[in-house]
Amino acid sequence: QSVLTQPPSVSGAPGQRVTFSCTGNSSNIGAGYDVHWYQQLPGTSTKLLIYGNTNRPSGVPDRISGSKSGTSASLAITGLQAEDEADYFCQSYDHSLSAVVFGGGTKLTVL
Amino acid sequence: QVELQQWGAGLLKPSETLSLTCAVSGGSFRGFYWSWIRRPPGKGLEWIGEINHDGGTIYNPSLKSRVTISLDTSKNQFSLRLNSVTAADTAVYFCTRGYRGMDVWGQGTTVTVPS
Repeated sequence: QSVLTQPPSVSGAPGQRVTFSCTGNSSNIGAGYDVHWYQQLPGTSTKLLIYGNTNRPSGVPDRISGSKSGTSASLAITGLQAEDEADYFCQSYDHSLSAVVFGGGTKLTVL
Repeated sequence: QVELQQWGAGLLKPSETLSLTCAVSGGSFRGFYWSWIRRPPGKGLEWIGEINHDGGTIYNPSLKSRVTISLDTSKNQFSLRLNSVTAADTAVYFCTRGYRGMDVWGQGTTVTVPS
């Protein structure tokens, strides 16, 4: 059971907008710790998509965005493409566990 | 362009020691933290621990008694040792560079411990 809760799957058609939720508590996201988002493609290639809740690293397109409110965070992808099909993970820090924590991941299926 | 190349034994017996190494090319250790992450089959990512450029370490409390992360700056490498492995340690293991999020990841190493 992961400390951060993510839905196991989402799906969308090409061109559509999808969102990924990440729910924590007062010991992690709600305590003000940053949330980061990662994409893990089939075959394990892993990429940082969002850091510090809302910031995109160089090279990440602006159709990808992040937000944070209270004890939750969200990732949004607009203009869905077939190559977006992957697993998406959120990450933060939990001060009661003294550990970096991840969500269980959400599998995106592009219909 | 920083790259991480990792390697290590992929098949272990219960009670053996997992040993993985990650080589850093194209960048310095200074100013970053260097982590090991794993993903068991059918599960999410789990943080194992991290080391900074001065050799300071922080470990996941759930694994702390079995984990050692070390740094060899002369070889531009950092390593993971996990003692007394069991089938529950079967996973794909990743090395990463962190600063604001983990922005560089190794290719992953599959480690299997049969039950």
